[in-house]
Amino acid sequence: GDSVTQMEGPVTLSEEAFLTINCTYTATGYPSLFWYVQYPGEGLQLLLKATKADDKGSNKGFEATYRKETTSFHLEKGSVQVSDSAVYFCALDYMNTGFQKLVFGTGTRLLVSP
Amino acid sequence: DAGVTQSPTHLIKTRGQQVTLRCSPKSGHDTVSWYQQALGQGPQFIFQYYEEEERQRGNFPDRFSGHQFPNYSSELNVNALLLGDSALYLCASSGGTWENSPLHFGNGTRLTVT
Repeated sequence: GDSVTQMEGPVTLSEEAFLTINCTYTATGYPSLFWYVQYPGEGLQLLLKATKADDKGSNKGFEATYRKETTSFHLEKGSVQVSDSAVYFCALDYMNTGFQKLVFGTGTRLLVSP
Repeated sequence: DAGVTQSPTHLIKTRGQQVTLRCSPKSGHDTVSWYQQALGQGPQFIFQYYEEEERQRGNFPDRFSGHQFPNYSSELNVNALLLGDSALYLCASSGGTWENSPLHFGNGTRLTVT
């Protein structure tokens, strides 16, 4: 079946450091890929998505490129802020099924210190 | 515009008991999905309701059941609770497909089974 693997956390960075959170996937078809963020005490929020190979999703300074050849969708940000501290989830779904049924990774906690 | 609201926010139950969790979708949304997020894990899809019918189901036992009402709100019921059912239960709503209506998540109900 389909699955998503993320790097284990926590990832601890100083403010303004460069961020990479690795995500790879296994899929039977050609899924769309997503990054969700979960701030403390809150639900999941969609951060960005990419629907096909070589697409780049971006939002709030975060970027991720859909790499079919390496089955990866790594999340990057050039300069993190304390307010970026949260848990980040990589996920996949198939947009052409008419359903919305996300398969999530285990999440990576990011801690940014001043 | 209220987003997805879930109640209660926290709940403590004893093994063997039954529990009902509630979800009101975002205004304009007609589809409700439920996810279980165990501690330190990513959310796992339980089932999805549309037009008061269960449309898709994940790999969860029959102890997990649901309902959708004519006003699109939904309930998740879990019977014969086990310690392993302790988790954050997330409700998500949408109004169509990924292209025109991404999933919106509520803040969840934290269920503790003792």
